[in-house]
Amino acid sequence: GQNIDQPTEMTATEGAIVQINCTYQTSGFNGLFWYQQHAGEAPTFLSYNVLDGLEEKGRFSSFLSRSKGYSYLLLKELQMKDSASYLCAVLPQDTGFQKLVFGTGTRLLVSP
Amino acid sequence: DVKVTQSSRYLVKRTGEKVFLECVQDMDHENMFWYRQDPGLGLRLIYFSYDVKMKEKGDIPEGYSVSREKKERFSLILESASTNQTSMYLCASSSRTNTETQYFGPGTRLLVL
Repeated sequence: GQNIDQPTEMTATEGAIVQINCTYQTSGFNGLFWYQQHAGEAPTFLSYNVLDGLEEKGRFSSFLSRSKGYSYLLLKELQMKDSASYLCAVLPQDTGFQKLVFGTGTRLLVSP
Repeated sequence: DVKVTQSSRYLVKRTGEKVFLECVQDMDHENMFWYRQDPGLGLRLIYFSYDVKMKEKGDIPEGYSVSREKKERFSLILESASTNQTSMYLCASSSRTNTETQYFGPGTRLLVL
């Protein structure tokens, strides 16, 4: 089966650093996506990892370890606007159909 | 910029009604998807389409059907709405390349009474 785990909720303070973890067990692996979703809005793309290592993009970084079935999203210099849900999604198979499997999301609350 | 639009942001229907949710994308994407999003369950795939007139069942297709007569438009149909279909429905599209992200529409919040 396909299983993706991420914490339900996290809290952090403005200006701090937070790491959101995602572990997965899927039938195959062809990449992992992170999306940000503000309340009542559509998910928007943050990052894509297919090889092991860290991908940095401004204040956001994403890490992947395929051998451990593990990824994290690192948010630095937190801002109030970073309060949102963060969705981890895995592409298990290279079917050409991009059938993603989503975790339930981590709701991040940033306080002043 | 990619744009994915959905016909309604909010919809209220009665049990047994036939419901149509429309989705249009303007980026000539091959793939289109319908998800529902419920608290604690995350995004679950209902149906997807990888080409005009082609459709594939996702993880929870029961009670739904889809139509893709034109490349830019993907419709989700609830043949006979039930209260357990009250949910947020999200449409997405992507190019055929797996490394490309899916682009999501704003969502339709459907309430079935």
